[in-house]
Amino acid sequence: SQKIEQNSEALNIQEGKTATLTCNYTNYSPAYLQWYRQDPGRGPVFLLLIRENEKEKRKERLKVTFDTTLKQSLFHITASQPADSATYLCALASASSNTGKLIFGQGTTLQVKP
Amino acid sequence: GAVVSQHPSRVICKSGTSVKIECRSLDFQATTMFWYRQFPKQSLMLMATSNEGSKATYEQGVEKDKFLINHASLTLSTLTVTSAHPEDSSFYICSARDQGWDTEAFFGQGTRLTVV
Repeated sequence: SQKIEQNSEALNIQEGKTATLTCNYTNYSPAYLQWYRQDPGRGPVFLLLIRENEKEKRKERLKVTFDTTLKQSLFHITASQPADSATYLCALASASSNTGKLIFGQGTTLQVKP
Repeated sequence: GAVVSQHPSRVICKSGTSVKIECRSLDFQATTMFWYRQFPKQSLMLMATSNEGSKATYEQGVEKDKFLINHASLTLSTLTVTSAHPEDSSFYICSARDQGWDTEAFFGQGTRLTVV
């Protein structure tokens, strides 16, 4: 069956450290994978998109990698700050569909402690 | 970035009544919008793809007669929860894109539905 899993429900780190979140998928052929941030009671906010033919993308303190052999994406936040505390969602869109419908992982709640 | 607006942000209704949620793209046109449902501490579950001028495409297990979707214009999709029951209480979120299917999606702020 198809699955998209984020390995940790919760992650607690100290301010200034690098947070690394994992997203694994099975039985999908993603055209791309996206990462979103969601704060309580709000809709998700887009962070990064990485396509199947890309290995790495960066945006300011954020970095995402994509390994289609391992079927895994890693999301890194460097020099983390308490304001980075939120739930982070990975989502993929299948290559077999061009509607762009996104299938989401269950999310990882990051807590950055001062 | 593009803006997607949902209304209302919160609604409480009685069992058996119907509730309509609106999703608008404010500064772009969207031929396709998506509706998701999110239960507490769970992820977003895709309910349906809303297509302007045609019928919505529902995901497996989602009752189309229960969750009516209308996408009558390029900037508005509505989700009507018919004959609501307490188990329909959830956070409903819509999304749309202002460019191609393989670009970032913009989400509304969500609608918290409570059925009493």
